[in-house]
Amino acid sequence: EPEVTQTPSHQVTQMGQEVILRCVPISNHLYFYWYRQILGQKVEFLVSFYNNEISEKSEIFDDQFSVERPDGSNFTLKIRSTKLEDSAMYFCASTELALTTDTQYFGPGTRLTVL
Amino acid sequence: DAKTTQPNSMESNEEEPVHLPCNHSTISGTDYIHWYRQLPSQGPEYVIHGLTSNVNNRMASLAIAEDRKSSTLILHRATLRDAAVYYCILAGSARQLTFGSGTQLTVLP
Repeated sequence: EPEVTQTPSHQVTQMGQEVILRCVPISNHLYFYWYRQILGQKVEFLVSFYNNEISEKSEIFDDQFSVERPDGSNFTLKIRSTKLEDSAMYFCASTELALTTDTQYFGPGTRLTVL
Repeated sequence: DAKTTQPNSMESNEEEPVHLPCNHSTISGTDYIHWYRQLPSQGPEYVIHGLTSNVNNRMASLAIAEDRKSSTLILHRATLRDAAVYYCILAGSARQLTFGSGTQLTVLP
């Protein structure tokens, strides 16, 4: 069964450093998402991406964050200057279409630790 | 977005049915009811969704009240692998999912 993959599984970085989290969505999917989950808290929506541009973003997704689809398979989340509070699990998800009935397929996540 | 209310936790014995309730009294006519679950240290996983009629799939059944103000996720025979946080989510015009705190299901051997 096709699945969403994410790399790395765990990233440790120093505060102020840039990180790039990578995702490979399911190949025929058109709509991509990033969510995050701070330890012990809810899963929170960050951003959605469709047709090579941001579709929607939350208040969390400020100027420190950016997303890109650099080629036909990867979808990346960049945090320009990490803060301690960016430490969280980051989940990528994709859907085949852009309907609210579409199943979102989530990756296993990247654990980001900011020291 | 319409809000959902779920119990914080529930317990079940292995191989017994589990009924996970969800209240959504402010649901709008176009909101779909989605259920996702999150196994320990994993990403959320789709379970089932519906609009008005009851739904069945290989994982579970979804029973939707006639007034749509509540729904129940039914796992017919709980296994240890079903221990997870279960999220009831309303999906209307927004495509992104808004997760609540969900119900932590513990399955006892």
